[in-house]
Amino acid sequence: GDSVTQKQGQVTLSEDDFLFINCTYSTTTYPTLLWYVQYLGQGPQLLLKVTTANNKGISRGFEATYDKGTTSFHLQKASVQESDSAVYFCALDTNAYKVIFGKGTHLHVLP
Amino acid sequence: EAAVTQSPRNKVTVTGGNVTLSCRQTNSHNYMYWYRQDTGHGLRLIHYSYGAGNLQIGDVPDGYKATRTTQEDFFLLLELASPSQTSLYFCASSDVGGISQNTLYFGAGTRLSVL
Repeated sequence: GDSVTQKQGQVTLSEDDFLFINCTYSTTTYPTLLWYVQYLGQGPQLLLKVTTANNKGISRGFEATYDKGTTSFHLQKASVQESDSAVYFCALDTNAYKVIFGKGTHLHVLP
Repeated sequence: EAAVTQSPRNKVTVTGGNVTLSCRQTNSHNYMYWYRQDTGHGLRLIHYSYGAGNLQIGDVPDGYKATRTTQEDFFLLLELASPSQTSLYFCASSDVGGISQNTLYFGAGTRLSVL
């Protein structure tokens, strides 16, 4: 069945460090790949969306790219700030009216 | 912007207790979802619905019932609560096929503790 794997449970960085979070997926469809961000005390919200057509998405300084050959997609940011501390979820939308989420990466940015 | 409101925000009950979590969305979205969030598991889909009176089974449905009474209102029912259902519950809605292209809009969550 469809699945998404997000192995990095926790990442601790200092301000201005480079962020890279990777996910892999498995599906027989042409999916949309998503990144959601959850700030403390809030529900998740969509950060970025990448389709098989565009391969890349950019929002709020974050960039998401997708590699069909390795069935992976990753989230990166050149210079993180303390305000980026949050939980980041990768997710798979197979167009089957439900979204499958990874386990989440808790990003802690030190001032 | 989509608005999804959950109540209560916090709930404590005992094993065997009866709990109802409520969710209302005010953006005329077709689809509504209940997820639970647990450390090490991420977000897991319990039930979802594509309209009033409809219910679809998610990936972790055991021990949960749900009911969609109107397009706006979706309820999650735990009729015999167990400690394994202690979790953070999120409701979400989406306008499948609409302008937002399947984006999920989440509520702020309900933290449930079953003692």
